[in-house]
Amino acid sequence: QKEVEQNSGPLSVPEGAIASLNCTYSDRGSQSFFWYRQYSGKSPELIMFIYSNGDKEDGRFTAQLNKASQYVSLLIRDSQPSDSATYLCAVMRDNNNDMRFGAGTRLTVKP
Amino acid sequence: EPEVTQTPSHQVTQMGQEVILRCVPISNHLYFYWYRQILGQKVEFLVSFYNNEISEKSEIFDDQFSVERPDGSNFTLKIRSTKLEDSAMYFCASSREFSGNTIYFGEGSWLTVV
Repeated sequence: QKEVEQNSGPLSVPEGAIASLNCTYSDRGSQSFFWYRQYSGKSPELIMFIYSNGDKEDGRFTAQLNKASQYVSLLIRDSQPSDSATYLCAVMRDNNNDMRFGAGTRLTVKP
Repeated sequence: EPEVTQTPSHQVTQMGQEVILRCVPISNHLYFYWYRQILGQKVEFLVSFYNNEISEKSEIFDDQFSVERPDGSNFTLKIRSTKLEDSAMYFCASSREFSGNTIYFGEGSWLTVV
């Protein structure tokens, strides 16, 4: 079983739509959850982090966490072509700094 | 804005050779990391380093790999006797705190083993 699972995509949405990205994780000891954006050939860039169950909003981005279901998601509102990238879900335990990444979901926002 | 810098950006090496990848973490950061990403695959944790010693390492980080902070600014990853499967992008990262929300990644060093 993969530690962090994401649909590889590609996920294609029209400009202005909501993009919904999903992630499940296997380690119940995971306490910290992150969404990174990675453009092709570039390094991961932190978009959001969430520690508690529920929603966390930052601008056009909302992260949602459900620890009971071992599920974390990222919503991108008013999607823009510049949001086209691979989105990486990552999880971490509190007692170490070994961050585990999913394989990423490729998002394409069409003008 | 402070950033993590890595050199070289791209290195080609022959199988069996030793490679040193260099990183300058953000100056007030205390935790340093190496990750790798094989082309088309996920980002994988290799090692974390704090207070001049390894704090965590993954199953990938075997005796072929070593890390060092030779002076107050550089953080290096040494790969001995490189193999074809070591070809990957290697990302250095640093953080001020022991928590993922402050981890900043460098732009990466692309290693090609031929």
